[in-house]
Amino acid sequence: AQKVTQAQTEISVVEKEDVTLDCVYETRDTTYYLFWYKQPPSGELVFLIRRNSFDEQNEISGRYSWNFQKSTSSFNFTITASQVVDSAVYFCALSEASTGANNLFFGTGTRLTVIP
Amino acid sequence: KAGVTQTPRYLIKTRGQQVTLSCSPISGHRSVSWYQQTPGQGLQFLFEYFSETQRNKGNFPGRFSGRQFSNSRSEMNVSTLELGDSALYLCASSLMRQGAMAEAFFGQGTRLTVV
Repeated sequence: AQKVTQAQTEISVVEKEDVTLDCVYETRDTTYYLFWYKQPPSGELVFLIRRNSFDEQNEISGRYSWNFQKSTSSFNFTITASQVVDSAVYFCALSEASTGANNLFFGTGTRLTVIP
Repeated sequence: KAGVTQTPRYLIKTRGQQVTLSCSPISGHRSVSWYQQTPGQGLQFLFEYFSETQRNKGNFPGRFSGRQFSNSRSEMNVSTLELGDSALYLCASSLMRQGAMAEAFFGQGTRLTVV
């Protein structure tokens, strides 16, 4: 069965610190997709990144970077030089080709608070 | 380009009533999915519609139903409301691409409170 685990429930950092949000997933599919979403207080889930199971390249986008490691079933997200605007709940999600690519299984989220 | 629009944003209903929520996807997106978010259960998949057909369904009782119209707009209905149906209901739309998974873009949600 599929599962996404975000062990960190809440993290607080001081502005300009780096922070890594952990995500561990379980799936039996060989074709699957991993996502990160940000949920600010307004409620909308903001798409950050999608990775498919055949692409283990790490990615960097500005202050954001993602480390995908199939060997440890992890898809971790790092924010460099955090800012107050980064405060939000971050969700890691998984979808599988066999159960429907648009059926996202979400982790329980990590609430990040950046203190000025 | 307009994003995913959900109406209404807030709703208060009485136990036993029914409710209909609406979602207008991004123009050109034909896939619409619905999710329920609660503090206890987190984000859970309800169902997905594509070209007016339900393509996938989550583990929710039959009181939860949906439909999609020819313009891709979607509605979800909850009948015989229970207190536990109080939640943020999120709609996501995505552009189906041949052989590739497209990312889902979410609306701001409808916050339903059942009293």
